[in-house]
Amino acid sequence: DAKTTQPPSMDCAEGRAANLPCNHSTISGNEYVYWYRQIHSQGPQYIIHGLKNNETNEMASLIITEDRKSSTLILPHATLRDTAVYYCIVRGQTGANNLFFGTGTRLTVIP
Amino acid sequence: EADIYQTPRYLVIGTGKKITLECSQTMGHDKMYWYQQDPGMELHLIHYSYGVNSTEKGDLSSESTVSRIRTEHFPLTLESARPSHTSQYLCASSEYPLAGGPGLRGANVLTFGAGSRLTVL
Repeated sequence: DAKTTQPPSMDCAEGRAANLPCNHSTISGNEYVYWYRQIHSQGPQYIIHGLKNNETNEMASLIITEDRKSSTLILPHATLRDTAVYYCIVRGQTGANNLFFGTGTRLTVIP
Repeated sequence: EADIYQTPRYLVIGTGKKITLECSQTMGHDKMYWYQQDPGMELHLIHYSYGVNSTEKGDLSSESTVSRIRTEHFPLTLESARPSHTSQYLCASSEYPLAGGPGLRGANVLTFGAGSRLTVL
């Protein structure tokens, strides 16, 4: 599975869009990009995933660059409840029986 | 709302005691997992199961054991707790296996419980 690089922390003003970047320059053609978040030591929560097209659901949007070497998770109107650690995970749909969560980006939404 | 339940949420116990962390899910998922996480650190897979009577060890060696007698239930047991076992234990389940196969949209989507935070004195 490809390695990902995320900034350790970010701040965002409440009501503004939060844009969380993730670099995955070694991603291979059959690997997907997944995003999870973990709110204050609860279990991680699945947010969204994609292969090469941009994706949107009720929680967030995922923008993947054309070369697929990086992606951005967008929370369009951040609220205080979005304060969490966000994990970007790249992996294929075959392979090891583990989903590796790194240290992620700690997003703090400021009132 | 959670469809996967962990009890207890918090447990403080003395060294040498036997503990069982409970995990139950109501989604009918065959695949269940236990992760261990220290504060501010990465999650580590310690056990997983792909169905009844099937259990496997994860990437991180653990002195805990698991059982899977019923689909919905995946308890974790420590026979003799030690301070080094102090950690948060997270249970998860999925409809599809992590290595579900190409094009399987639901692969790698885990549903986690709220966790059990264990402190061994």
